Amino acid sequence: KNEVEQSPQNLTAQEGEFITINCSYSVGISALHWLQQHPGGGIVSLFMLSSGKKKHGRLIATINIQEKHSSLHITASHPRDSAVYICAVREGGGADGLTFGKGTHLIIQP
Amino acid sequence: EAGVAQSPRYKIIEKRQSVAFWCNPISGHATLYWYQQILGQGPKLLIQFQNNGVVDDSQLPKDRFSAERLKGVDSTLKIQPAKLEDSAVYLCASSPQGLAYNEQFFGPGTRLTVL
Repeated sequence: KNEVEQSPQNLTAQEGEFITINCSYSVGISALHWLQQHPGGGIVSLFMLSSGKKKHGRLIATINIQEKHSSLHITASHPRDSAVYICAVREGGGADGLTFGKGTHLIIQP
Repeated sequence: EAGVAQSPRYKIIEKRQSVAFWCNPISGHATLYWYQQILGQGPKLLIQFQNNGVVDDSQLPKDRFSAERLKGVDSTLKIQPAKLEDSAVYLCASSPQGLAYNEQFFGPGTRLTVL
């Protein structure tokens, strides 16, 4: 079973700072997801990637398949980015529900 | 497009009672997932359906949890009897098909408190 580790667990930063959240996993995967969860429980998918890099607005996600590692970057961070960011992996095959990390609790202070 | 619907949003019960949650996935989505998220942890997959068949229920505590998706559309998850450690948010998600490149869409969750 895949083990997904995220770091840091908690991160507080000032508005405008460049944010990096890391994710590592133990077993080869078919896809990796970055998700955002706001207080109240709603989860929104940010990225799904299997190689390389994706960018959406101020968010950038990268993955290194050989090193089993992914990073989520937020440029010009804003208080509305405050949320829990969760990394989840998919191992492929028919039974392919996501295996989640514990999440990174991000607070951006004005 | 309507999102994944779940009800109830909140439920408080006493231990040893029974409870049921309902999920209606996005129209046309063949795959439905139930996840359990305990406070401070990432979600954990309980069961995955492809249409009305079970694909993976390896982490479902089958002595007390059951789930069905009889017509391949909406689904119910039941706990009978509930224990204190079942207190969690129960998330339902759906995707067009259970394929690696398909995104999963999550419902708002049902927060269960067992007293």
